[in-house]
Amino acid sequence: DTAVSQTPKYLVTQMGNDKSIKCEQNLGHDTMYWYKQDSKKFLKIMFSYNNKELIINETVPNRFSPKSPDKAHLNLHINSLELGDSAVYFCASTWALSTDTQYFGPGTRLTVL
Amino acid sequence: LAKTTQPISMDSYEGQEVNITCSHNNIATNDYITWYQQFPSQGPRFIIQGYKTKVTNEVASLFIPADRKSSTLSLPRVSLSDTAVYYCLVGDGGGGADGLTFGKGTHLIIQP
Repeated sequence: DTAVSQTPKYLVTQMGNDKSIKCEQNLGHDTMYWYKQDSKKFLKIMFSYNNKELIINETVPNRFSPKSPDKAHLNLHINSLELGDSAVYFCASTWALSTDTQYFGPGTRLTVL
Repeated sequence: LAKTTQPISMDSYEGQEVNITCSHNNIATNDYITWYQQFPSQGPRFIIQGYKTKVTNEVASLFIPADRKSSTLSLPRVSLSDTAVYYCLVGDGGGGADGLTFGKGTHLIIQP
């Protein structure tokens, strides 16, 4: 069983389009995260949710809107995609706001043309 | 803000012990130190975590001096499969973004 799964694994789209990336974890964790890893491999936190509530929003453009329908899912919707949005997006989960291990998904490589 | 500094890259050979040091001069009292490993096209994977002194698990050891301003990840007898990027994180897990800042990591290359 995959602990943290993301779909799709690859996403190629045109500028200006709207797209979503889905994340699910079956670990029973309370907290989920979205990270962005750019071409320079710098891994930056974007959002975190704890029990479906937004905890961290790290100055991400409001074109990015996370949605957590339940604590096992955290989806990322991106409006009006720009070239600079091209990156690998990772979802992760952990126990509630703790220093415990973060479990990462396999990543979604987004390419905006 | 506990900021971390690591070497950008390191090289070693199979069978050697590799030590990667991370500096975190502004570490706070409640902060833990956590190391992750990332292979190409995969998400980071937890290696080890510590608060002070020494921690050892089946994969690595983590050495933390008394002042906690640095930490050293030690990988015994590395193999080619240990080639990866290693990240050091410092934070208290209290929900802030500080403890979730991965930085650029150390690219470790193991040669035969």
